[in-house]
Amino acid sequence: QVQLVESGGGVVQPGGSLRLSCAASGFTFRSHGMHWVRQAPGKGLEWVAFILNDGNNKHYVDSVKGRFTISRDNSKNTLFLHMNSLRADDTALYYCAKDEASTGLSNFDHWGRGTLVTVSS
Amino acid sequence: LPVLTQPPSASALLGASIKLTCTLSSEHSTYTIEWYQQRPGRSPQYIMKVKSDGSHKKGVGVPDRFMGSSSGPDRYLTLSNLQSDDEGEFYCGHSRTIDGQVGYVFGTGTTVTVL
Repeated sequence: QVQLVESGGGVVQPGGSLRLSCAASGFTFRSHGMHWVRQAPGKGLEWVAFILNDGNNKHYVDSVKGRFTISRDNSKNTLFLHMNSLRADDTALYYCAKDEASTGLSNFDHWGRGTLVTVSS
Repeated sequence: LPVLTQPPSASALLGASIKLTCTLSSEHSTYTIEWYQQRPGRSPQYIMKVKSDGSHKKGVGVPDRFMGSSSGPDRYLTLSNLQSDDEGEFYCGHSRTIDGQVGYVFGTGTTVTVL
């Protein structure tokens, strides 16, 4: 079955950096777009970033453009989120999610359990 | 990106039915949306896709008592024979491509309580 396991979260000071990883299994990773979605404590869901199956197209929510970079290693079935210049409002549980479509952005048909990022001094 | 409006809460008795609403902004009233369920302390789960014509496509394992429908800018998720396990947050969401820029937006969510 599909499994998505996030790691790399932690406590970081404002202005710091983190790299999140998502290990995928149970499906053909190179055939699907992948996403990061976050949820601040007690708040709703916010889509953060999307990368197409081949890694050549990447899209971001405006609030993270220029600070976050999504990438993937199809040889290792792993998705990444490089986060720089972190701010307090980036504090959230970060979910890795699989896109149902083989091309383009459709919907998130599988989700990981999330990894918590806390930005605090 | 279109705005999605959801009422903050809804409740119904155990075994009854409940109809959740997601309203698209008027200029995007023909869009397809997706529904997701998030039980307390758990990750979100995909429920279904609902089109403007009312047709819907469920995710794997979604029970038959979950049904989608549409009317104008409103997209609905009806839960029949409510179970205690149906409690949680329900989000609608939508994707759009504008000038090559892809994005996704979620509604603010509806908290479902089973009485």
